[in-house]
Amino acid sequence: QSALTQPPSASGSPGQSVTISCTGSRSDVGGYNYVSWYRQYPGKAPKVLIYEVNKRPSGVPDRFFGSKSGNTASLTVSGLQAEDEADYYCSSYVGYNNLVFGGGTKLTVL
Amino acid sequence: QLQLQESGPGLVKPSETLSLTCTVTGGSINSTYYYWGWIRQPPGKGLEWIGTIFYTGTTYYNPSLQSRVTISVDTSRNQFSLHLSSVTAADTAVYFCARRDSSETCDPWGQGTLVTVSS
Repeated sequence: QSALTQPPSASGSPGQSVTISCTGSRSDVGGYNYVSWYRQYPGKAPKVLIYEVNKRPSGVPDRFFGSKSGNTASLTVSGLQAEDEADYYCSSYVGYNNLVFGGGTKLTVL
Repeated sequence: QLQLQESGPGLVKPSETLSLTCTVTGGSINSTYYYWGWIRQPPGKGLEWIGTIFYTGTTYYNPSLQSRVTISVDTSRNQFSLHLSSVTAADTAVYFCARRDSSETCDPWGQGTLVTVSS
């Protein structure tokens, strides 16, 4: 299974919106509604922001929005804040009880 | 509150076997609702799924690592373990354990432990 494709970097100014893409294939993103998004601060473990494409765990603000079209999932962060500067990873179920992650996107708040 | 904690040697010699244990506290590993998994992250790179285990001992591995990986569970100790054989420098990474749920989401994660492969 190949890693999902994410842009290496993204940026936006405080208050703006930014969208991060996660492209796979019919075998993963396109085939299942099991896409998750994680945020990771340096030296820390990832923490889930979105699960099942567009669901937010309790405690995650509605500034984080997940969606999917075909083989590409997206994470939109609106109302950018300084604390949003971090690495973001997508993951998808690929069948046979396995997962695959994206390569990660470093989000910079300008 | 469920917590996971990785433990094991931080340095492993090339060609040897990397062994880590994940201890689960605040909840039972004996659950029909969850799987337990290992994920790694080479320094400065992205996340890589290693494999997962159910409390019954059923395992599923990343095909790219399957020939070298074994994951086991000890329900009496509320622990599960990772063994990666014939390691090389490319296996140097922070290794995380995590609970995986029916939404195919990993949450929570352990804090991670750095394992360096070097002679």
